[in-house]
Amino acid sequence: AQSVSQHNHHVILSEAASLELGCNYSYGGTVNLFWYVQYPGQHLQLLLKYFSGDPLVKGIKGFEAEFIKSKFSFNLRKPSVQWSDTAEYFCAVNVPSGGGNKLTFGTGTQLKVEL
Amino acid sequence: EAQVTQNPRYLITVTGKKLTVTCSQNMNHEYMSWYRQDPGLGLRQIYYSMNVEVTDKGDVPEGYKVSRKEKRNFPLILESPSPNQTSLYFCASSSNWLSYEQYFGPGTRLTVT
Repeated sequence: AQSVSQHNHHVILSEAASLELGCNYSYGGTVNLFWYVQYPGQHLQLLLKYFSGDPLVKGIKGFEAEFIKSKFSFNLRKPSVQWSDTAEYFCAVNVPSGGGNKLTFGTGTQLKVEL
Repeated sequence: EAQVTQNPRYLITVTGKKLTVTCSQNMNHEYMSWYRQDPGLGLRQIYYSMNVEVTDKGDVPEGYKVSRKEKRNFPLILESPSPNQTSLYFCASSSNWLSYEQYFGPGTRLTVT
């Protein structure tokens, strides 16, 4: 079964700092990759997704992620964070199969952006 | 507005008292799913449904039941809740099982004492 690792559990940054959150997955075949964000007290929202094609994907709110197949990674980046980016970020992977549309999530990274 | 709704949003109950958390979507989605979110564990899938009357177990189905009698509704049933089911629960839907983008509900925070 596939698994997802997010190594940074808590990240604290100042406004305007650059962000990179790590995500690694374990599965040797074709995968679909996602980053979700959960603002305090809210439900999960999709930030960006990768299915195929250009490994550098751009999402909402200035976020982007790069799929590096050789490293089994899908790191999330933002050049300049804002206070409003304070949230929990989840990486997720889906293995296309007949067993349902299951997303396997990482344990999440809590990002706090300080003014 | 396209959305997934859950009720109740917050629930405190006692061990053994049956409860149901409702989930409804207005997007005519075929695929629906339940997850639980626990600190340090991320989200784990409980059950999913690929269409009406078709349900299957996810990673952590023990202690839960589901039903899918209508396309729009996918209730989560805890027949005899226990404290280890204290968690934050999310319902999600997508247009079909080949559509990997899922839409999440607002969550239900359940406490079992």
